[in-house]
Amino acid sequence: DAEITQSPRHKITETGRQVTLACHQTWNHNNMFWYRQDLGHGLRLIHYSYGVQDTNKGEVSDGYSVSRSNTEDLPLTLESAASSQTSVYFCASSAMGRQPQHFGDGTRLSIL
Amino acid sequence: GDSVTQMEGPVTLSEEAFLTINCTYTATGYPSLFWYVQYPGEGLQLLLKATKADDKGSNKGFEATYRKETTSFHLEKGSVQVSDSAVYFCALSEASNDMRFGAGTRLTVKP
Repeated sequence: DAEITQSPRHKITETGRQVTLACHQTWNHNNMFWYRQDLGHGLRLIHYSYGVQDTNKGEVSDGYSVSRSNTEDLPLTLESAASSQTSVYFCASSAMGRQPQHFGDGTRLSIL
Repeated sequence: GDSVTQMEGPVTLSEEAFLTINCTYTATGYPSLFWYVQYPGEGLQLLLKATKADDKGSNKGFEATYRKETTSFHLEKGSVQVSDSAVYFCALSEASNDMRFGAGTRLTVKP
């Protein structure tokens, strides 16, 4: 069965460090998305990609970057981790507009 | 721009009670509408969807009807179970590829 996998599931790091969260999908979807989920804010879009070499900023992109070198992977990098970036991060993918997004199980990131 | 508004929670019900979670939307075109469910410690899972007006999506006893005249997609279930306790998200997607989510409604079902 096709799936979308995030790693690690949990991570603790220190402020100022660079952190990369992995997302890998086997749906062969063109579209991939990164969200963060915080109490009181629901899901907020960080970055998204509509295909290889395409990346776009979402509503809360400051301090984050992504790159898309193949269809399957969209890693999310925190350039210099800040305590405000402590959150649960979800990756999702979809085939095209008006189609459902498929979500990974999330990465819980704590920045001390 | 497009947006989704769903009823604020939390919602607490007794087992076998009737559930309604309201969802209304604003869209410029003809979106597809979705309900997602999130169990503790997990990602969002697609619960049901509807792609055009008057379509009814259904799954696991949950139903929602795409009402264009009232721009609504309310989630209903006739008899909830403890295992239905979760956070429910209403969402829409147009041809532009992105998806807009509601804030989520936490449901707790007590035995």
